[in-house]
Amino acid sequence: DAKTTQPPSMDCAEGRAANLPCNHSTISGNEYVYWYRQIHSQGPQYIIHGLKNNETNEMASLIITEDRKSSTLILPHATLRDTAVYYCIVRSSQGGSEKLVFGKGTKLTVNP
Amino acid sequence: KAGVTQTPRYLIKTRGQQVTLSCSPISGHRSVSWYQQTPGQGLQFLFEYFSETQRNKGNFPGRFSGRQFSNSRSEMNVSTLELGDSALYLCASSPVAGSYNEQFFGPGTRLTVL
Repeated sequence: DAKTTQPPSMDCAEGRAANLPCNHSTISGNEYVYWYRQIHSQGPQYIIHGLKNNETNEMASLIITEDRKSSTLILPHATLRDTAVYYCIVRSSQGGSEKLVFGKGTKLTVNP
Repeated sequence: KAGVTQTPRYLIKTRGQQVTLSCSPISGHRSVSWYQQTPGQGLQFLFEYFSETQRNKGNFPGRFSGRQFSNSRSEMNVSTLELGDSALYLCASSPVAGSYNEQFFGPGTRLTVL
């Protein structure tokens, strides 16, 4: 399984951009990077995913390095409601099966 | 459209007992995945069902099993409960298997084993 490494916690000021890094140095060429977040007492929520190119949607942007060994999730204007644990996940494919392998996540705290 | 529902929300069992958890996916979703979340291990994939067939399985002992019905509802069962099985069990549904960008999670069932 490809593994991910994330900082355990980060802080961000409200209204500023939050940049959450993820290391996935053993990722294979056909594996996607997914980002989910989990707000306290709720189930995880899908944010964005990508393979090689940078991606943007209404929630966030995903920047993947050229060698694909790391990526950064960007919340352009963080709000208090963005306080959550953010998971960087590599979509693993082993022996024909596919599954999501979650990392430990980064607890992002957005401060007023 | 109603979200993913899980029942019960909370459950207390004792060691050695067995437990069955239920998950009702979003209407029209045919894939259901189960995850276990603990403070120490984080979120771990248990299994995925699609069209009543187990499609993927995580690294859990055989005490953990599941099934999916023709209406896509799913149940997971844990037999011979151990203290370490105390966790939040999350269910997620998606329209088809492997569509993780369209995967929606339920609120979870909090299982406590005494």
